[in-house]
Amino acid sequence: QLQLQESGPGLVKPSETLSLTCTVSGGSISSSSYYWGWIRQPPGKGLEWIGSMYYSGRTYYNPSLKSRVTISGDTSKNQFSLRLSSVTAADTAVYYCARLGTATVTTVYWYFDLWGRGTLVTVSS
Amino acid sequence: DIQMTQSPSSLSASVGDRVTITCRASQSINTYLNWYQQRPGKAPKLLIYAASSLQSGVSSRFSGSGSGTQFILTISSLQPEDFVSYYCQQSYSSPPTFGQGTKVEIK
Repeated sequence: QLQLQESGPGLVKPSETLSLTCTVSGGSISSSSYYWGWIRQPPGKGLEWIGSMYYSGRTYYNPSLKSRVTISGDTSKNQFSLRLSSVTAADTAVYYCARLGTATVTTVYWYFDLWGRGTLVTVSS
Repeated sequence: DIQMTQSPSSLSASVGDRVTITCRASQSINTYLNWYQQRPGKAPKLLIYAASSLQSGVSSRFSGSGSGTQFILTISSLQPEDFVSYYCQQSYSSPPTFGQGTKVEIK
């Protein structure tokens, strides 16, 4: 059973860089069938996609965060990571890593089919 | 970005009720629409993909319909564990965007 687990500091100071890692077990991030992504949820609010990556290194970012985000993978450790620079209080959120699965119905559809438990990151001095 | 709007934002219902949640897209997204369920303090769980396809392992009391700009999630007979929040998400174009959520509460 594939599982994802986020790890990283729970408290980050304003203007610093938030760094999180997602460790994948029971499966490989090198699978050609899947993309891997990060989504966040501020306390009491909705969900926001941050970005996604393919094991080849190709990345996709939300334009609203693109200037501050880097997502990368380490296939040797079966992990992928998120870095978000110049954080402010508005970046306080639960951060989830997730797998993007696909299915072919009439065409190819994709969705977030497996999620980590999430980790709360608070930006505060 | 494509804006996703859910209605209502919250609703009150009783065990056994049939409920519907609507999701509207700011432009046509064909059937590139997913539904998730989120329990308090937990990660979202995929219920429906491609507007109407039931994810493996999900109860058949959940169903989805719609295409274009209007979509509906139906819970045929509410169970106690269904009183949580639901989100729609479009996968038609990047960035993928979510609705603001609908909280189903016990009447």
